[in-house]
Amino acid sequence: DSGVTQTPKHLITATGQRVTLRCSPRSGDLSVYWYQQSLDQGLQFLIQYYNGEERAKGNILERFSAQQFPDLHSELNLSSLELGDSALYFCASSVDLVAGGSSYEQYFGPGTRLTVT
Amino acid sequence: GNSVTQMEGPVTLSEEAFLTINCTYTATGYPSLFWYVQYPGEGLQLLLKATKADDKGSNKGFEATYRKETTSFHLEKGSVQVSDSAVYFCALIGAGGTSYGKLTFGQGTILTVHP
Repeated sequence: DSGVTQTPKHLITATGQRVTLRCSPRSGDLSVYWYQQSLDQGLQFLIQYYNGEERAKGNILERFSAQQFPDLHSELNLSSLELGDSALYFCASSVDLVAGGSSYEQYFGPGTRLTVT
Repeated sequence: GNSVTQMEGPVTLSEEAFLTINCTYTATGYPSLFWYVQYPGEGLQLLLKATKADDKGSNKGFEATYRKETTSFHLEKGSVQVSDSAVYFCALIGAGGTSYGKLTFGQGTILTVHP
């Protein structure tokens, strides 16, 4: 158990709908990262938050957005869903930002499997 | 940009065989390198890491050495077990700048170990 929790575990929805995925980081971790894992794209970084502020963006679609709340949990919102959005969405957390060449370990949650029909 | 290339799988081995999964990377400066493992139906677990050239990461009998000259971080294990069957991902975090902590992953290598 990594200490990172994600809900729901599975989500099935229809095209055009909107869903919210939730992530609670490990106790004490300030950074939250979202990744998407799909068969055709592999594992891709979407977005990072640090202590409530957006820090880095990756290949995140404009239909997707995220935020990190004062209690440090994070939500990933996916709207106008398309069939191609079906994927496993992972949240990861780490204690701090990368700084000065050192790297903090990221701990991954179990993921939310999104199926768009 | 940063990229990671892993040997294509799947890899199928018999128990107690020697394992090598090749990984090479493209990045500026000195990235940090990682191997993650994903067991069926689970999230990713950090297996080992190395943060500077010539460092050797090791865990659970797995090893990988950060080779700057060949930009490689090959994963090895001397004697695999059935319980090692999983998907293995090589990944890096770029050095500083706008890389922050984002992981860039290889495509993953499926390992199946038979008794």
